[in-house]
Amino acid sequence: DVKVTQSSRYLVKRTGEKVFLECVQDMDHENMFWYRQDPGLGLRLIYFSYDVKMKEKGDIPEGYSVSREKKERFSLILESASTNQTSMYLCAIEFPRAAGYDNEQFFGPGTRLTVL
Amino acid sequence: AQKVTQAQTEISVVEKEDVTLDCVYETRDTTYYLFWYKQPPSGELVFLIRRNSFDEQNEISGRYSWNFQKSTSSFNFTITASQVVDSAVYFCALSEADTGGFKTIFGAGTRLFVKA
Repeated sequence: DVKVTQSSRYLVKRTGEKVFLECVQDMDHENMFWYRQDPGLGLRLIYFSYDVKMKEKGDIPEGYSVSREKKERFSLILESASTNQTSMYLCAIEFPRAAGYDNEQFFGPGTRLTVL
Repeated sequence: AQKVTQAQTEISVVEKEDVTLDCVYETRDTTYYLFWYKQPPSGELVFLIRRNSFDEQNEISGRYSWNFQKSTSSFNFTITASQVVDSAVYFCALSEADTGGFKTIFGAGTRLFVKA
C-alpha cells in the first residue's frame, strides 16, 4: 500500500513563528508536491520537487520555502507564519509515467494549520 | 495558460438520482492528462480516473462514468443512481508538461450532497 504521511493533522501556531510541515513517502518516488487547499479556490500548488535537492516554485510560493535533503522527505517551511497562511496543506507524490502510470497523484491526509 | 473550471460550486441531489459534475479545461499543449479526485469528509483526496489527451474513449466504472470531449475541452463526470456515500468534494485536474516533468492544476471543486 502506498503511504504518504504528514507530520500533523492539526497545528496551531502564532504569527511570526517558523513552521515546519513534514511529508514522508515510502514509495521511492521522485516527484513530490505541496498544495494548499482553501474553500472556493481548490488546490493551489506551492512548491514541487523532482528529485533530492531539487525544487521548483508552484503558483503561490511567496511566504514559503521547501527542503528535500532525502528522497523520501519533502518539507514545507513557513519562515514567518501569517494569518493568511491558515489553510489545509496537502502533500502528494506522483506516480511516474516510467512505471506505467500517467502522473496521477497520491495524497497524504493533510495538515490543517491555524495561524493566530 | 492552464486552467480548469468547475462551474458548479455545490450540487444537492436525492439518493438514486443521476448527477453530472462538469469540468472544462484550457491548455495549449497537445499532450496532457485529465483527472478526477474525490475528497470525502475524512479529508484525503482519492484518485478516481485519469485520461490522456489521445484517448477520447469514454469510460464507465460501476456507477461512475466519464465523458471526455476535446472539441468542447470538457471532461464531465456522471454518477448514476447516487448514494449517500458519494457525498464529497470532487476535483477535476489537468496535468501538462512543465520544466523537468508535468505540472498539475486543480479546479475549485464541486461539493456534492446526496440526501437519503
